[in-house]
This record gives sequence, structure tokens and C-alpha cells, in this order.
Amino acid sequence: QKEVEQNSGPLSVPEGAIASLNCTYSDRGSQSFFWYRQYSGKSPELIMFIYSNGDKEDGRFTAQLNKASQYVSLLIRDSQPSDSATYLCAVSSSARQLTFGSGTQLTVLP
Amino acid sequence: NAGVTQTPKFRILKIGQSMTLQCTQDMNHNYMYWYRQDPGMGLKLIYYSVGAGITDKGEVPNGYNVSRSTTEDFPLRLELAAPSQTSVYFCASSLQRLNTEAFFGQGTRLTVV
Repeated sequence: QKEVEQNSGPLSVPEGAIASLNCTYSDRGSQSFFWYRQYSGKSPELIMFIYSNGDKEDGRFTAQLNKASQYVSLLIRDSQPSDSATYLCAVSSSARQLTFGSGTQLTVLP
Repeated sequence: NAGVTQTPKFRILKIGQSMTLQCTQDMNHNYMYWYRQDPGMGLKLIYYSVGAGITDKGEVPNGYNVSRSTTEDFPLRLELAAPSQTSVYFCASSLQRLNTEAFFGQGTRLTVV
């Protein structure tokens, strides 16, 4: 089992819709969870992080964490074409590593 | 404010050659990481360091070596380059492990022919 798994893409949503991105992790000792966005040919950039169970909102983005289910998600409301990118889930594990999933490619159709 | 700086941006190596990818950060971060990203894939951890003089293997360390003699610098050494090492390499740093953002360099695109 991979340490961090993301739902396979690509994912396409119409402009204005909600995009839902999912991630599961295997290390129960993981403490911090991150969502990065990566445009084609660019470096990853942080969207938000979460470390407590529940929801965390930042503008159009909401991260959800369920440690019992070892599940993290990112919701993007009112999706815009500029949100089209690859979204990477990252987990800070008990082994002091920052481990990334394989990413989900999102396309927002005008 | 430079952040994380990687050099070179592009490089073509012949099979069997060696090279060092340079990474330096000016944010006084303790944690530094080297990742590789193959086309259409996520980031795979090669090596990481939690401070000067301390390094640990990540998921894919074979064929690579690192050193961390200062807080600022974390070079990645490729010995005997192979086509399987063709990838984009990212260096990143963070202040600490928990609840802090990892900042990435612009990447090095390496092709081994």
C-alpha cells in the first residue's frame, strides 16, 4: 500500500462547480496534512494545511480531515479555469518525512 | 528574498557521467528535502535533512548522495548517471516538520542520454 494515495484523475468540472479531491494515508502517526497546487512546468505551491479533525476553510478552498478514517480532502467551490492544475496531497509522517501523493489533475471547463 | 535557489535549471548528462545539483536557502530553515518528479507523476522523496550534519534516505535514494555541512546548502550528487534518472528534481525547505509550509525551488530538469 502506498503511503499517500490520491483519487486517480484526470478530473474535469464545469466553471462554477465544486471540485472534490481526495487523499488517503497509511501512517496513523501522521500529524500534518498539506494540499499543494502545481501548474504545468512550475514548482508546487501551498494552498493550505490542516492538522485537526474537521474542516478548515480559506476562501474558496475547504480542507477536511478525518484521522480515524485516515482521509483528507480538498473542496474547491466556484471553480475557475485558473484552478486548472495538478493538486498534490502531502503528509508529514512520524518518520519526519514529507510524503506526497501522485497528484490529481484538475481541469475546469469554461 | 531569494527563498530556495536551485542550479542548474537544465542539464543534459551522458550515461555514466556524474554531477551535483545545488540547492541553497536563505530562510534559516532546518528541514531540507530533495524530490524527483517523473512526467505526470507526484513527487518522490530522495533524501532529506533535519539539520546540518544529519541526512536520511527517502523513498528512492539509490544512485544519489547528499551532504548537509551548513544550514543553507543541501547538494544532491548523482554518480554514474543512468537514463532512469531523467526527471525533474525539486529541492524544498521548511522551518520545522509540523504545520509549516515547505518552500520549493524552481526545479532542475535533467536528461540522461
